[in-house]
Amino acid sequence: AQSVAQPEDQVNVAEGNPLTVKCTYSVSGNPYLFWYVQYPNRGLQFLLKYITGDNLVKGSYGFEAEFNKSQTSFHLKKPSALVSDSALYFCAVRDFISSGSARQLTFGSGTQLTVLP
Amino acid sequence: EAGVTQFPSHSVIEKGQTVTLRCDPISGHDNLYWYRRVMGKEIKFLLHFVKESKQDESGMPNNRFLAERTGGTYSTLKVQPAELEDSGVYFCASSQDRSSGRDTQYFGPGTRLTVL
Repeated sequence: AQSVAQPEDQVNVAEGNPLTVKCTYSVSGNPYLFWYVQYPNRGLQFLLKYITGDNLVKGSYGFEAEFNKSQTSFHLKKPSALVSDSALYFCAVRDFISSGSARQLTFGSGTQLTVLP
Repeated sequence: EAGVTQFPSHSVIEKGQTVTLRCDPISGHDNLYWYRRVMGKEIKFLLHFVKESKQDESGMPNNRFLAERTGGTYSTLKVQPAELEDSGVYFCASSQDRSSGRDTQYFGPGTRLTVL
């Protein structure tokens, strides 16, 4: 079975400061990892994904995430936060080894990011 | 290119009534998924279509939920009869790649269902 943990329900950061939203995962095989963001009254928007290759993945809006296999983590980062980054962030995983026809994503519980002006 | 669309955006019904949610995937996407987020918890998988076929319905909570995708285009999710615990946000997603499994799922805005 696959699972995702987002240990922080809420993250507050001052505008201009770096931000980190944490995510750890558990899978049987190799993970496909995703970050999505939900702005108020909007749907889930894809930010970035890790499939294979370089452990540092760059995505939309200046976000990046680092895949760390030994720590089973995939933390989302941004060097300089903007007030407009305030939103709900979800980490998700898909287990490659058990894929077959199963394509479902397993999501974390979400982290509310608030960037303070 | 239009994204995934869902209708309605909100639905308020009474316990015991029937509600039908609709999802239109991105054009050309064979894969269509339904998820839901209940009580602000995790987003949970419900089922997966490949074209008109149900590939995986392991997440469907019970037989009050019926999903269809006739013709392999849009999909409907019917809840009959609705119960209080069905309240939540129902998301639809679609993806293109049928073979590698590396495809990205693109989500719609969701339907917020409230059962009173």
